[in-house]
Amino acid sequence: DAGVTQSPTHLIKTRGQHVTLRCSPISGHKSVSWYQQVLGQGPQFIFQYYEKEERGRGNFPDRFSARQFPNYSSELNVNALLLGDSALYLCASSLLPGQLNQPQHFGDGTRLSIL
Amino acid sequence: AQSVTQLDSQVPVFEEAPVELRCNYSSSVSVYLFWYVQYPNQGLQLLLKYLSGSTLVESINGFEAEFNKSQTSFHLRKPSVHISDTAEYFCAVSRRDDYKLSFGAGTTVTVRA
Repeated sequence: DAGVTQSPTHLIKTRGQHVTLRCSPISGHKSVSWYQQVLGQGPQFIFQYYEKEERGRGNFPDRFSARQFPNYSSELNVNALLLGDSALYLCASSLLPGQLNQPQHFGDGTRLSIL
Repeated sequence: AQSVTQLDSQVPVFEEAPVELRCNYSSSVSVYLFWYVQYPNQGLQLLLKYLSGSTLVESINGFEAEFNKSQTSFHLRKPSVHISDTAEYFCAVSRRDDYKLSFGAGTTVTVRA
């Protein structure tokens, strides 16, 4: 079975541009979470979506937004890119939110570089 | 809010030697605890977790971690490492009534022959 897939794998943008990152969860998983991992740091929680609704948001500015589609795939959008947005963006899926007996499965991430 | 401190940023170790990665957390409520491993250019893989019950948890590849509530620690150990254990290891915590994970900064383990 396919794991969590993210696209693109790498992306280069310039300051001020916007970007859309995509995530397809494991088949049957209805919850998707997004994390930002800056080089040398641990991942930071951005959003969680379940059944197309936002269930939680981390401490990120409004330039960050996301949505979940009826097929449970998700997009993360970032507007007005800053140099500090350079990071690995990780998507994780799970059967249900908050069900920690079912672990979150992470994708390999999208490496975003801002010039 | 929860926070996680991984006390060692880098741990070099020889093959077949033991290794311990230290993790301390702070939280005002009960939490679940996790260790994740990240190999180069890959996402995170769950190594082991503590939800409840026995404070000693084990993974299928020889790692173990012990939850110590009084010391708010969840240290990871392996008695004999392999070259393939070279990776970055993250300790994470989640409130029991929440779903988001709070991660430490990570510990890079480099195993040398």
